[in-house]
Amino acid sequence: KNQVEQSPQSLIILEGKNCTLQCNYTVSPFSNLRWYKQDTGRGPVSLTIMTFSENTKSNGRYTATLDADTKQSSLHITASQLSDSASYICVVSGYSGGGADGLTFGKGTHLIIQP
Amino acid sequence: GAVVSQHPSWVICKSGTSVKIECRSLDFQATTMFWYRQFPKQSLMLMATSNEGSKATYEQGVEKDKFLINHASLTLSTLTVTSAHPEDSSFYICSAQNRDRGYSPLHFGNGTRLTVT
Repeated sequence: KNQVEQSPQSLIILEGKNCTLQCNYTVSPFSNLRWYKQDTGRGPVSLTIMTFSENTKSNGRYTATLDADTKQSSLHITASQLSDSASYICVVSGYSGGGADGLTFGKGTHLIIQP
Repeated sequence: GAVVSQHPSWVICKSGTSVKIECRSLDFQATTMFWYRQFPKQSLMLMATSNEGSKATYEQGVEKDKFLINHASLTLSTLTVTSAHPEDSSFYICSAQNRDRGYSPLHFGNGTRLTVT
């Protein structure tokens, strides 16, 4: 069964600090992995998309890494800001399995940035 | 970037009434639209896949007669929750994709908070 596990479930850090969110998946065969940011009461917004051959991808202060061998990904946030407070969702796309959208969603990491 | 507009952003209705939610792709043609449901602190759950000009495909356990989906054009899909009940209260999100371009980031709407009283 395709699964995406994210950790930690929630995280509180001080403004300006860095943090790393983890994503482990069992989706096979693998197509791509996406990180989304979801503000409370809003739809998810795409941060990064990585295919099998990509190890890292950055989007401003967000840097995602992918190890397709160990089926792990991380999202590193540098110099956190209050606006980074949100849920971060790891989504894995496979050529089979998942829903009809081919996606398996993680439950997300709820990040709170404190001033 | 691609924009998906979802309307309304929130709605409160009485039990037994129907509610229609619209999902529009504003600057690209969406060959495929997806409808999700999200409970607090849970991941998005795919309800159905909507392909332009054809019937929607529903995930297991989703009542197609209760959640009516119409995708009449390449820029608009609608979800109608019929005879709503309090247990239908949830956050509904649509997403849109142009599958003619291979894999591409799903563009999500901002969601609709439905409260059934």
